[in-house]
Amino acid sequence: AQSVTQLGSHVSVSEGALVLLRCNYSSSVPPYLFWYVQYPNQGLQLLLKYTTGATLVKGINGFEAEFKKSETSFHLTKPSAHMSDAAEYFCAVRDTGFQKLVFGTGTRLLVSP
Amino acid sequence: DVKVTQSSRYLVKRTGEKVFLECVQDMDHENMFWYRQDPGLGLRLIYFSYDVKMKEKGDIPEGYSVSREKKERFSLILESASTNQTSMYLCASLTAGRVQPQHFGDGTRLSIL
Repeated sequence: AQSVTQLGSHVSVSEGALVLLRCNYSSSVPPYLFWYVQYPNQGLQLLLKYTTGATLVKGINGFEAEFKKSETSFHLTKPSAHMSDAAEYFCAVRDTGFQKLVFGTGTRLLVSP
Repeated sequence: DVKVTQSSRYLVKRTGEKVFLECVQDMDHENMFWYRQDPGLGLRLIYFSYDVKMKEKGDIPEGYSVSREKKERFSLILESASTNQTSMYLCASLTAGRVQPQHFGDGTRLSIL
């Protein structure tokens, strides 16, 4: 069965610093991978997705993620954090051939001035 | 843009009550999902539906049931609410046949007293 591990339930950065949120997955088949963001009192919004092709995926708000098959990782990065990036971030893997998503436990990003 | 609307943002009910959470999507999506979100646990799938009148159990279906009488509407039912069902509930929808992201509603924060 697919599973997702997000290292660090909380990550703190200063405004302007690099953001790195870690995601490792397990999958018996080539995975489809997603990053979602959740702002307070809102639902989840898609940041980016990897299906096939280029392993470096660019998303909204300056975020990007790199699919590394050898490391079974899909880490999310942003070169320079902004206060508005403070939110909870979820990594998810989709069962190939199925419509279900398996989510990680989430990482809350805190951005200080 | 896809719109997934959950009928209530906040709901307070009493133990033993029968509770209905409603979700409507406006994009003719075949697939619909109900998740609950708890701190430190991420999102867990309760039930999903891939067609009208069809339903499948997710990872934590106990204490819940669902109804899908029309394609655009997916209802989650707590047969006899208990305090351990206090949570954030998120509905999502997805078109079939392609690798597309799930689209989420803004969630219903349910408190069972």
